Amino acid sequence: AQSVTQPDIHITVSEGASLELRCNYSYGATPYLFWYVQSPGQGLQLLLKYFSGDTLVQGIKGFEAEFKRSQSSFNLRKPSVHWSDAAEYFCAVGPISGGGADGLTFGKGTHLIIQP
Amino acid sequence: DTGVSQDPRHKITKRGQNVTFRCDPISEHNRLYWYRQTLGQGPEFLTYFQNEAQLEKSRLLSDRFSAERPKGSFSTLEIQRTEQGDSAMYLCASTLGGAGETQYFGPGTRLLVL
Repeated sequence: AQSVTQPDIHITVSEGASLELRCNYSYGATPYLFWYVQSPGQGLQLLLKYFSGDTLVQGIKGFEAEFKRSQSSFNLRKPSVHWSDAAEYFCAVGPISGGGADGLTFGKGTHLIIQP
Repeated sequence: DTGVSQDPRHKITKRGQNVTFRCDPISEHNRLYWYRQTLGQGPEFLTYFQNEAQLEKSRLLSDRFSAERPKGSFSTLEIQRTEQGDSAMYLCASTLGGAGETQYFGPGTRLLVL
């Protein structure tokens, strides 16, 4: 069965500093990979996704992620964070294998705190 | 495109009661998903529909849970005889197309079972 690991439960970054959130996955085939952000009281918003092709993916709000097959990783990066980036970030892989389901498997999330 | 909506946003109930949640997907989206998110965890897949057909159910979906999408538009998720362990955020998502398409999530229904 597939799985997603986000090793960092919390990360604190100073405003203006660079950010990297880690994501490792286990999947039996070529995965679809996603990063979502969840702010308090808000639904999950897609930041970016990888299906195939260029392994460096650009997303919204200045985020990017790089797919590294050899490391089974899909880390999220941003060169300079803003206070509004404080939120919960989820990495996800899909589709769920077997049975034809194409729901997503999510990691446990990384809580991003921005210091002024 | 008004986004995915869910109703109610919050629900407090007593153990043993039945509750029903509603999800209205983005218009024309043929696939609809239900997830459950507990505190400190990522969303967990429960079930999904393609049009009105329920195609897959997770092992998390016990017999007390039932979901419907009668006309291929809105969907309901009912929990019978609620238990304290059912307390969670229930998320709905919709997508146009198949595997790998972007899933658009609603704001969720937060359930608290006392």
